[in-house]
Amino acid sequence: KAGVTQTPRYLIKTRGQQVTLSCSPISGHRSVSWYQQTPGQGLQFLFEYFSETQRNKGNFPGRFSGRQFSNSRSEMNVSTLELGDSALYLCASKDIANEKLFFGSGTQLSVL
Amino acid sequence: EDQVTQSPEALRLQEGESSSLNCSYTVSGLRGLFWYRQDPGKGPEFLFTLYSAGEEKEKERLKATLTKKESFLHITAPKPEDSATYLCAVMKAAGNKLTFGGGTRVLVKP
Repeated sequence: KAGVTQTPRYLIKTRGQQVTLSCSPISGHRSVSWYQQTPGQGLQFLFEYFSETQRNKGNFPGRFSGRQFSNSRSEMNVSTLELGDSALYLCASKDIANEKLFFGSGTQLSVL
Repeated sequence: EDQVTQSPEALRLQEGESSSLNCSYTVSGLRGLFWYRQDPGKGPEFLFTLYSAGEEKEKERLKATLTKKESFLHITAPKPEDSATYLCAVMKAAGNKLTFGGGTRVLVKP
């Protein structure tokens, strides 16, 4: 089985721009979560989608949004980028049969 | 509020020198405690899930244990390829959200 695939791998944007990140979960996994990882704050939960519905949301401003499609693929959008949004954005997918979350390699976003 | 604290922040070991990593947690309604390994520039790689106090799991040179307040990851006779950041996380009874600790950076020197 292919793992969790995230695109693009690297992204450079400037302040004020918006960005869309993509995540393809493991085949058969319907739960997709997004996390932000920074050296200062570590890994922080952004949100979780299941069957196209957002089920959980972390403590991030409304500039961070996401969606999930009928094929379980998910996108995350960040609008009006700030320097502090520079981070590794990780997507994880989960099988309803067990508790394991499998992570992708992430998208490294740099905001200049 | 859920809290996960890992210690030490960094650990330098000689090859073959066994050691333990600590993960202390405070969570209401623990569903599971997870250990992940993360290499630079990569996403976390799943190692173990522990569900109840007293549970132990092993994989190669790694062994994870769980009590009601903390978990330990024991690395026995480590090799340089065990160098990585080890992350601990908890999942509550409701929801699939993981709350992570800050991680322990392990460097194993040959």
